[in-house]
Amino acid sequence: QVQLVESGGNLVTPGGSLRLSCAASGFTFSDYYMIWIRQAPGKGLEYIAYISTNSATIYYADSVKGRFTISRDNAKKSLYLQMNGLRAEDTAMYYCARVPEQGIDYWGQGTLVTVSS
Amino acid sequence: QSVLTQPPSVSGTPGQRVTISCSGSSSNIGTKTVNWYQQLPGAAPKLLMYLNSQRPSGVPDRFSGSKSGTSASLAISGLQFEDEADYYCATWDVSLKGWLFGGGTKVTVL
Repeated sequence: QVQLVESGGNLVTPGGSLRLSCAASGFTFSDYYMIWIRQAPGKGLEYIAYISTNSATIYYADSVKGRFTISRDNAKKSLYLQMNGLRAEDTAMYYCARVPEQGIDYWGQGTLVTVSS
Repeated sequence: QSVLTQPPSVSGTPGQRVTISCSGSSSNIGTKTVNWYQQLPGAAPKLLMYLNSQRPSGVPDRFSGSKSGTSASLAISGLQFEDEADYYCATWDVSLKGWLFGGGTKVTVL
């Protein structure tokens, strides 16, 4: 069965950095676009970054452009999100998800990032 | 404020039919298909509807989806207490080159 497991969330001070990972299993990882989505406490879903199968195409939301970097390692079946210059407003649950042609389908359980001094 | 507009909340009694709207524009819903997600309290979102009106395996047929022009909607017939959750619509925007989510609708069963 499709499984996505995020890790790397933590408490970090403003201006700090964090790297999130998403381990995929149960499907051919290299065949799918992938996406990071976040949800601030008590708020709705926000798209963060999107990457194609071979990493040739990458898109970012304006809110994180220049600070966050999405990447993937198909050999390791893993998706990553490098987050620099973290701000209080980046505090959220971060989800990775799979994106077939029909749109976002499977989601991980999320990893919590808290930015606070 | 989300580019895709959903009502913040809808409510109904058990057995009733409720609908959730999702309003967009020609660069998103007007051009692309819409997916819907259900998020139960404390859980990750789960795919409820894809390609506007297709149910993944395991989703009860009480849930139905439709799209017309730049709007989409999700209907829940025979509302049950277990349907209490937040519901989100989502699609790709060809102008913004990014994924859009609606602001979410909280469904309450009275």
